[in-house]
Amino acid sequence: QMQVVQSGAEVKKPGASVKVSCMAAGYNFTNYGLHWVRQAPGQGLEWMGWINPISGSTKYAQKFQGRVTMTRDTSISTAYMELNRLTSDDTAVYYCARDPPSVPAFYYGMDVWGQGTTVTVSS
Amino acid sequence: DIQMTQSPSSLSASVGDRVTITCRASQTIGNSINWYQQKPGKAPKLLLYATSTLQSGVPSRFSGSASGTEFTFTISNLQPEDFATYHCQQSYGLPQTFGQGTKVEIK
Repeated sequence: QMQVVQSGAEVKKPGASVKVSCMAAGYNFTNYGLHWVRQAPGQGLEWMGWINPISGSTKYAQKFQGRVTMTRDTSISTAYMELNRLTSDDTAVYYCARDPPSVPAFYYGMDVWGQGTTVTVSS
Repeated sequence: DIQMTQSPSSLSASVGDRVTITCRASQTIGNSINWYQQKPGKAPKLLLYATSTLQSGVPSRFSGSASGTEFTFTISNLQPEDFATYHCQQSYGLPQTFGQGTKVEIK
């Protein structure tokens, strides 16, 4: 069964960094891009960025530029999202979601989602 | 950034009803809109992509259409398992953006 499995919940202090992992299972990791999306409590969904697992190229939302880094390790079929200089506004559930290959890009939507990783930022 | 204005923010409906949700894009996005269902404490689930194409395994009571920059999502014959929050998302430009969501509640 195709799935993406995320790392567990994190509690961080303001100013710290968090690194969330997303492991692909049941499909070829390098055949699909990966999005990162977050959802603050009671709020809507917010796109953070995307990574190409083959090349490692990334696209980030301007809002997170300079504070987010998305990487991958193809040897273990895992992608990572690291967010620095955390504030209470970063308290949210963070999701990774699979991006099927397509022309034009992003045509098929986000078809497989991880279970979410809760990140709580509190002093 | 492309803004997606989704309405209503919530609605009450009964089993068997027809439900319609609208998303308006702030600029042209072609047919690059996707719709997701989200239940409490769960990840979103893709229902429709490219305006009107059903994701594999999704029941045909879910449908979508477009008129210019206005996109409509419809659930015909609402079922008990359909009570959830629905999100639209544009994948035409970066950053990709979502509507604020519509919560469908039991009347």
